[in-house]
Amino acid sequence: GAGVSQSPSNKVTEKGKDVELRCDPISGHTALYWYRQSLGQGLEFLIYFQGNSAPDKSGLPSDRFSAERTGGSVSTLTIQRTQQEDSAVYLCASSPVAGGILQTQYFGPGTRLLVL
Amino acid sequence: TQLLEQSPQFLSIQEGENLTVYCNSSSVFSSLQWYRQEPGEGPVLLVTVVTGGEVKKLKRLTFQFGDARKDSSLHITAAQPGDTGLYLCAGAATGTASKLTFGTGTRLQVTL
Repeated sequence: GAGVSQSPSNKVTEKGKDVELRCDPISGHTALYWYRQSLGQGLEFLIYFQGNSAPDKSGLPSDRFSAERTGGSVSTLTIQRTQQEDSAVYLCASSPVAGGILQTQYFGPGTRLLVL
Repeated sequence: TQLLEQSPQFLSIQEGENLTVYCNSSSVFSSLQWYRQEPGEGPVLLVTVVTGGEVKKLKRLTFQFGDARKDSSLHITAAQPGDTGLYLCAGAATGTASKLTFGTGTRLQVTL
């Protein structure tokens, strides 16, 4: 199991409920990313963690969205008071130490979130 | 905000045909990647191009980075059903090597 894993694979929730999505990156990868993908379209950047640096939260669409990365490994994306427009596939990716050269991002299979 | 527009959005062709997918922006990127995504899975990296005018080949796939580093193309020769998927370009702006802007995607279907 050397790849990026995400859980749950599918989540159905009711409007207004909070959800937590989990990402386990590849061991040793210091960079971790969250993206959102709607209806099989392009990916929308949400947040980026790099080592112990402050995360880049510039892509979070509202203050209902937050993410943590504990111990430089596992990350949790939390969506509070979910809305129907939050329905999408949430993808996590990790990469080795970021530098001046664009690194390969390794993606997990995603969590499909449906807000009823 | 940097945007990457891909065309066409959808493409359905028969096995053996050739095709080209385009990725265009008004912004300059320091490097650009192409990914392929299959249903139920995350995107998988195909190639990274970093130099304006660079051409890379991966079997039947040819990738080109524009001279001005604002656009890229993916050409597939003699498409096969296994090429079916969502193709995504993604660019990194200068100084933000780790933060990618993804294109709008091109969904390719290759039939027998």
